[in-house]
Amino acid sequence: GEDVEQSLFLSVREGDSSVINCTYTDSSSTYLYWYKQEPGAGLQLLTYIFSNMDMKQDQRLTVLLNKKDKHLSLRIADTQTGDSAIYFCAETGGSQGNLIFGKGTKLSVKP
Amino acid sequence: DADVTQTPRNRITKTGKRIMLECSQTKGHDRMYWYRQDPGLGLRLIYYSFDVKDINKGEISDGYSVSRQAQAKFSLSLESAIPNQTALYFCATWTGSGYTFGSGTRLTVV
Repeated sequence: GEDVEQSLFLSVREGDSSVINCTYTDSSSTYLYWYKQEPGAGLQLLTYIFSNMDMKQDQRLTVLLNKKDKHLSLRIADTQTGDSAIYFCAETGGSQGNLIFGKGTKLSVKP
Repeated sequence: DADVTQTPRNRITKTGKRIMLECSQTKGHDRMYWYRQDPGLGLRLIYYSFDVKDINKGEISDGYSVSRQAQAKFSLSLESAIPNQTALYFCATWTGSGYTFGSGTRLTVV
């Protein structure tokens, strides 16, 4: 079945760039997403990329999509302590019209 | 007002009790979803609804039921709560290009 994999933890220093990686299995996915979950909060849509794009940039966020390798990444430039959160990768691969989520990458930003 | 509102935010209940989690939305979206989040397991789909008369089971529907009382309302019930249903529950709507999530209900079954 469909699957989305991402590493569970990432630790960076404030001011550095963070790169969160994700691999997925469903090559027919139309959209791929990054959601952010801050402690005690719901999931907030950060950005998404259409499957016919290779890259999308939005201020400090850069999303790269390699369809051949089914690899998605999220780069956060100049990472701040407020970026500390869990980041979920998701694809529109669900057979039930749903999103398939990875298990989430917990980003810790050290001052 | 939030697009998707969940109540209650937190709930502690006893094993065997029936409990209902409520979700309402203000944007008139047809598709609504209930997910469960457990540490290290990500989000898993419990039930979803494409409209008032269309209710479908997700991957982990056992022990749960839902009701789509109106386009705006989608409730999740635990008929007889058990401790392994302790989790964070999220309702979401499909906007056409992604999900909007509620803030979640943290449920503890003791």
